[in-house]
Amino acid sequence: GAGVSQSPRYKVAKRGQDVALRCDPISGHVSLFWYQQALGQGPEFLTYFQNEAQLDKSGLPSDRFFAERPEGSVSTLKIQRTQQEDSAVYLCASSSTTGAYTEAFFGQGTRLTVV
Amino acid sequence: AQSVAQPEDQVNVAEGNPLTVKCTYSVSGNPYLFWYVQYPNRGLQFLLKYITGDNLVKGSYGFEAEFNKSQTSFHLKKPSALVSDSALYFCAVTFEDTGFQKLVFGTGTRLLVSP
Repeated sequence: GAGVSQSPRYKVAKRGQDVALRCDPISGHVSLFWYQQALGQGPEFLTYFQNEAQLDKSGLPSDRFFAERPEGSVSTLKIQRTQQEDSAVYLCASSSTTGAYTEAFFGQGTRLTVV
Repeated sequence: AQSVAQPEDQVNVAEGNPLTVKCTYSVSGNPYLFWYVQYPNRGLQFLLKYITGDNLVKGSYGFEAEFNKSQTSFHLKKPSALVSDSALYFCAVTFEDTGFQKLVFGTGTRLLVSP
């Protein structure tokens, strides 16, 4: 597609529910990132994939958070047993190279509200 | 710790006047610096970046930024503001410790351009 696509755009989950957020990166992009943006804050890094390999997951806040990219394209961020503090916008970004010289392209994000 | 600071939550400027949105950073080693803009209901959009070379970098929509190593700053500027520039602006940095693979964002500055 023309840009990074994320679905769903909005998700309301009851506390304790599991959720899965999908990211379709720009075709051919090697690098894929997930960020969490709380209300009034800047995005915070969660995890990074180079193709199908998850090279950095240092930003995942707890073991309830899990991300995968099994075929090196689409990625899914899964949150188990959601808590209210998980409410945020989850942003996916992709870039065409593995270096810092190329900017990342962001999706519109998934707004997760845990009630 | 590696960080980015945007000291102003909001900047107000009249259309046609010059604008400056401030950003300072704290990293060990050489930083790679970025500005992104976020419009309502849209993803983060890349404006410009500094990797190396000329300290003044020019980007999209007439924006520019000046890298100042001694002041550890990377302020965003535009000579003549437009009402359509009103948005949320984020400064971000990546650095060698992370393999240049993740962005650390500031908290954002809301720019309001009045007619």
